[in-house]
Amino acid sequence: GENVEQHPSTLSVQEGDSAVIKCTYSDSASNYFPWYKQELGKGPQLIIDIRSNVGEKKDQRIAVTLNKTAKHFSLHITETQPEDSAVYFCAAGDFGNEKLTFGTGTRLTIIP
Amino acid sequence: DTAVSQTPKYLVTQMGNDKSIKCEQNLGHDTMYWYKQDSKKFLKIMFSYNNKELIINETVPNRFSPKSPDKAHLNLHINSLELGDSAVYFCASSQLYGGNTIYFGEGSWLTVV
Repeated sequence: GENVEQHPSTLSVQEGDSAVIKCTYSDSASNYFPWYKQELGKGPQLIIDIRSNVGEKKDQRIAVTLNKTAKHFSLHITETQPEDSAVYFCAAGDFGNEKLTFGTGTRLTIIP
Repeated sequence: DTAVSQTPKYLVTQMGNDKSIKCEQNLGHDTMYWYKQDSKKFLKIMFSYNNKELIINETVPNRFSPKSPDKAHLNLHINSLELGDSAVYFCASSQLYGGNTIYFGEGSWLTVV
């Protein structure tokens, strides 16, 4: 089955700086890679996703890059703001399959 | 108008008891899930249903029994609760199998004492 590793487990960034979270996956058949944000006391919420037919996707301050050869993908948050503080999860799966495997999460803290 | 709602939000119960968590989605989705998040924040799928049919049953003790009376509801019943069952349980739904946004509920915090 799929195995997703996520690093770092915690990340503190000065407000306004950039944050990068990295994930690797094991199953070369995986072709769908979403990122979820979980705020305190809430359920995870999708913030961005990417499919294997593209190498990069951007949505305002958030971008995701994918390297299929190396089987890793990353989340980039630029110009970080206090409201970016949360736990972020990457996930990998087969688009069209019902099962996503989640990474272990990264607790991001933005320092004002 | 919450998209995925689950009740109760908090549940404290004694070992050996039986409890249920209810979930409803008003998004018109065909697929519903139960996820478990442990104290280390690991998020793992337990079950998924598509149109009331069980699709995924991960290695979950058979003390856990999901029930889907219709495609908008997926309830989770847990028998003979154990200390290790303490976790946050998330209900979720999506439009199709995988590859589409999974919408999570706010979670049910279960504590077994």
